[in-house]
Amino acid sequence: GNSVTQMEGPVTLSEEAFLTINCTYTATGYPSLFWYVQYPGEGLQLLLKATKADDKGSNKGFEATYRKETTSFHLEKGSVQVSDSAVYFCALSHAGTGNQFYFGTGTSLTVIP
Amino acid sequence: DAGVTQSPTHLIKTRGQQVTLRCSPKSGHDTVSWYQQALGQGPQFIFQYYEEEERQRGNFPDRFSGHQFPNYSSELNVNALLLGDSALYLCASSLLGDDPYEQYFGPGTRLTVT
Repeated sequence: GNSVTQMEGPVTLSEEAFLTINCTYTATGYPSLFWYVQYPGEGLQLLLKATKADDKGSNKGFEATYRKETTSFHLEKGSVQVSDSAVYFCALSHAGTGNQFYFGTGTSLTVIP
Repeated sequence: DAGVTQSPTHLIKTRGQQVTLRCSPKSGHDTVSWYQQALGQGPQFIFQYYEEEERQRGNFPDRFSGHQFPNYSSELNVNALLLGDSALYLCASSLLGDDPYEQYFGPGTRLTVT
């Protein structure tokens, strides 16, 4: 089957700290991988994506590399800001599932000044 | 260019009642998917509509039904509401033939069942 496992939160970091949020997946075939971010009271926004092995998605200082050998797509940022406080969701989809998205349970990040 | 819009923003219903949620997709998109996000959880796929037909369905009971209109907008209907139906309902739109495939999410409708 298809599933996504994220590291459990909540995560609390000081401003300018390094961030890693782990994500591993199980999928049949070759999925596309995504990170979405959800700010308080809002819907999901696409943060970055990668569509094949060894692709690196990046946006707003966040990066994630599609690692087929470890079935992982860990999210990283070198220096977090207070404005990065949100819930982060890892997700996968591929044509074999009719492009249905499978989400992890989310990781809450709080950045303190 | 308007993104995905949903209405209403919030809704309070009583157990046993019925509810209809609405979604307008991003301009140019032809596919609408609905997700249920319980508190503290990731979104769970309910179903997807394309060309006014239900194309895929997740593991949700028949109390959950939907519709897509010729202008690609969509409705989610839930009958015989249960307390456990309280959640954020998210609509996502996409273009079926897009490669790579992406979904754009609306802000959601917060449903509270009392």
